[in-house]
Amino acid sequence: EADIYQTPRYLVIGTGKKITLECSQTMGHDKMYWYQQDPGMELHLIHYSYGVNSTEKGDLSSESTVSRIRTEHFPLTLESARPSHTSQYLCASSEYGNGYTFGSGTRLTVV
Amino acid sequence: AQSVTQLDSQVPVFEEAPVELRCNYSSSVSVYLFWYVQYPNQGLQLLLKYLSGSTLVKGINGFEAEFNKSQTSFHLRKPSVHISDTAEYFCAVSDPEGYQKVTFGTGTKLQVIP
Repeated sequence: EADIYQTPRYLVIGTGKKITLECSQTMGHDKMYWYQQDPGMELHLIHYSYGVNSTEKGDLSSESTVSRIRTEHFPLTLESARPSHTSQYLCASSEYGNGYTFGSGTRLTVV
Repeated sequence: AQSVTQLDSQVPVFEEAPVELRCNYSSSVSVYLFWYVQYPNQGLQLLLKYLSGSTLVKGINGFEAEFNKSQTSFHLRKPSVHISDTAEYFCAVSDPEGYQKVTFGTGTKLQVIP
């Protein structure tokens, strides 16, 4: 079944650690996105990609980085986690006109 | 630039009653419109979408929405809600041209009261 997967679902990590949030999709979509969502708040686009070797920063400034070496894989990395990075991170992919397919999210807590 | 306004942050409604969640958008070009639902500790799931054609769009779980170009609205409706409809609902807009980046509203929490 075609889907989009995020791991881990929950992560508690200490300040200063490097972390990578994984996102993979099996639908062959060219477009992929990372959103940050704080509790009770709207979604903010932090990174997007329109294909392999294409990455762009989104509307919300973020200290994270992304890479797109393979169509199906779009990991997000934080080099040095801080408590201000505590949030839910949602990965999505899309094809033209069909809206987004979202993963289940990674809830990150930095202590 | 495009934007989305969801007028109600929370909507309480009794079980089996009808509900309408309001969404207005602004855009200088034609738009695609979407409603998504988010259950606790989950990602977002597409409920329905309007791309073109009939202005009344039917989605999953008995929801429907009507595109009103003159009022720039895309309100979501359900004639009879169930406890399981308790969730947060996001309206979203994207433009049909270019890269179709999606702009989301701030969400409406639907609370169904038994």
